[in-house]
Amino acid sequence: QKEVEQNSGPLSVPEGAIASLNCTYSDRGSQSFFWYRQYSGKSPELIMFIYSNGDKEDGRFTAQLNKASQYVSLLIRDSQPSDSATYLCAVESSGSARQLTFGSGTQLTVLP
Amino acid sequence: DAGITQSPRHKVTETGTPVTLRCHQTENHRYMYWYRQDPGHGLRLIHYSYGVKDTDKGEVSDGYSVSRSKTEDFLLTLESATSSQTSVYFCAISGQNTEAFFGQGTRLTVV
Repeated sequence: QKEVEQNSGPLSVPEGAIASLNCTYSDRGSQSFFWYRQYSGKSPELIMFIYSNGDKEDGRFTAQLNKASQYVSLLIRDSQPSDSATYLCAVESSGSARQLTFGSGTQLTVLP
Repeated sequence: DAGITQSPRHKVTETGTPVTLRCHQTENHRYMYWYRQDPGHGLRLIHYSYGVKDTDKGEVSDGYSVSRSKTEDFLLTLESATSSQTSVYFCAISGQNTEAFFGQGTRLTVV
């Protein structure tokens, strides 16, 4: 069974700090990786995706991928209280239909 | 979210009754998915569709069936609801070259 594991939370960081969220996956053939943010009582929203090894930056967010280590991370710079949410790592299966397997999520709290 | 609508948004039903949840999209995307979300388990795939009348099982398909008779609609049916199916259900859609995005969710309570 394909598995996606996220670092256990909850994670608390002070406002302005860097939040680091980590994810490992078991399917070595996976090619596409996603980070979703989910506020309490809301649906997940896509914030980052990455397909190639290395770093991808978008504003305050940086996704990092290391396929050899089967590891994906999300860094949030200059964390804001509005970043407080659950972050879900998702991995697209190496098969058909673009199925996503999700980790159980890491709850982040940014303290003012 | 724009382009995808789930109905109903909330439902309370009794054990043993049939329940159908609807997902409607206006994006003409090929792929549609049903997930359930429970505390401690994240999102788990129930069923998915890769075209009209083309569906397959996901990780937690027991007790659920689906149908997709047209591109825009994907129905999830609980033939005989049980308390273990109390959950939040999310529909998601994606295209061949677009990332998946989610509907607003349906909160189902089976009493």
